[in-house]
Amino acid sequence: GAVVSQHPSRVICKSGTSVKIECRSLDFQATTMFWYRQFPKQSLMLMATSNEGSKATYEQGVEKDKFLINHASLTLSTLTVTSAHPEDSSFYICSARGDGFSYNSPLHFGNGTRLTVT
Amino acid sequence: AQSVTQLGSHVSVSEGALVLLRCNYSSSVPPYLFWYVQYPNQGLQLLLKYTSAATLVKGINGFEAEFKKSETSFHLTKPSAHMSDAAEYFCAVSDMGGKLIFGQGTELSVKP
Repeated sequence: GAVVSQHPSRVICKSGTSVKIECRSLDFQATTMFWYRQFPKQSLMLMATSNEGSKATYEQGVEKDKFLINHASLTLSTLTVTSAHPEDSSFYICSARGDGFSYNSPLHFGNGTRLTVT
Repeated sequence: AQSVTQLGSHVSVSEGALVLLRCNYSSSVPPYLFWYVQYPNQGLQLLLKYTSAATLVKGINGFEAEFKKSETSFHLTKPSAHMSDAAEYFCAVSDMGGKLIFGQGTELSVKP
């Protein structure tokens, strides 16, 4: 149980274009999803917290107009990287809680999306 | 504010040897602590979690971790390393808002 599906797993796009990444909870309802960014050989950096039906909460230093997050349903959150630049190339990972909001419950992670901007 | 520090960005052990990955936490409240494993180009998989029920926590794949309040530590161990254990390991603490704060990660290499 508690499977999180992330799509696509890899994407290459040209500079200036936009890319959408989907994150779905397959067998549970996720009222809260989190989006992380990971640079090579580094830890995960939380970008934003996505709550179903409301605006995402962005971490300090993350451009909300560049990284658009939509959490339209209890099973789907999307991250859109707008006007992508090579410095946006990274590994993006989504995650969700499987048993309601509780800060002692673990997160379940998608398999990540490798974004390369040329 | 909560934080975790993982000592050693890279640990190398021989197959069959003891695995010890270190994690120290900082928290103003009783912490909720987690260990995750990440294989190349994949997301994170939960190994185990500490939620104050027991100080010794057993996880998947033979891993376990012991919560030591006096040392503010939550080190991850496995008695006998297997080649398939080679991966990146992350210690994390949950803050009061429900976010996971990750350590820097430790890359485990297993030599045959």
